[in-house]
Amino acid sequence: GAVVSQHPSRVICKSGTSVKIECRSLDFQATTMFWYRQFPKKSLMLMATSNEGSKATYEQGVEKDKFLINHASLTLSTLTVTSAHPEDSSFYICSATNPSTDTQYFGPGTRLTVL
Amino acid sequence: QQQVKQSPQSLIVQKGGISIINCAYENTAFDYFPWYQQFPGKGPALLIAIRPDVSEKKEGRFTISFNKSAKQFSLHIMDSQPGDSATYFCAASKRRGAQKLVFGQGTRLTINP
Repeated sequence: GAVVSQHPSRVICKSGTSVKIECRSLDFQATTMFWYRQFPKKSLMLMATSNEGSKATYEQGVEKDKFLINHASLTLSTLTVTSAHPEDSSFYICSATNPSTDTQYFGPGTRLTVL
Repeated sequence: QQQVKQSPQSLIVQKGGISIINCAYENTAFDYFPWYQQFPGKGPALLIAIRPDVSEKKEGRFTISFNKSAKQFSLHIMDSQPGDSATYFCAASKRRGAQKLVFGQGTRLTINP
């Protein structure tokens, strides 16, 4: 079964609103989670590394004030897209590292559509 | 130096044939090389992974071949089936798990019945 879940699986929102996406590790405690963005027919683009109890590390070109990441517990990381615009529409995927196996597992993704 | 180059971009194979996808990297600090399978609208799923201390790893119909000196690795899918039709990504990282993955561009594989 799935070891990493995401909620919601898809969301449609109006331009200017904020959207929160949750990523949960179900079978293990993850000190590190990652957030990716994927455009149609493209590869995964790493947005940020989420560390439990500390600030996220953002990749170059990713606006940290627009994509707020919170990793409040060892099983939950959230990505909030603030003041969303149509160009933020994308497929957002998280991953979590199982420290016991040192393996990174991906969530099922969240399809965000901003109208 | 952080790039992982993947080829081909797309691949069509007849049912029962062998699918081969290749990746090349530059950063010799990479020491973990996973392959992921992704179906449309789904997240990537780990298929198989290898570390540079071995030259080949096989799991069922899936085999990774690794050439450390050439800094290349490849995925072979034996007896390819229509259900294998998906996008495949190679990746690399400096350390398993906790370190961020660098992904290849992806290969869209189609298995014709």
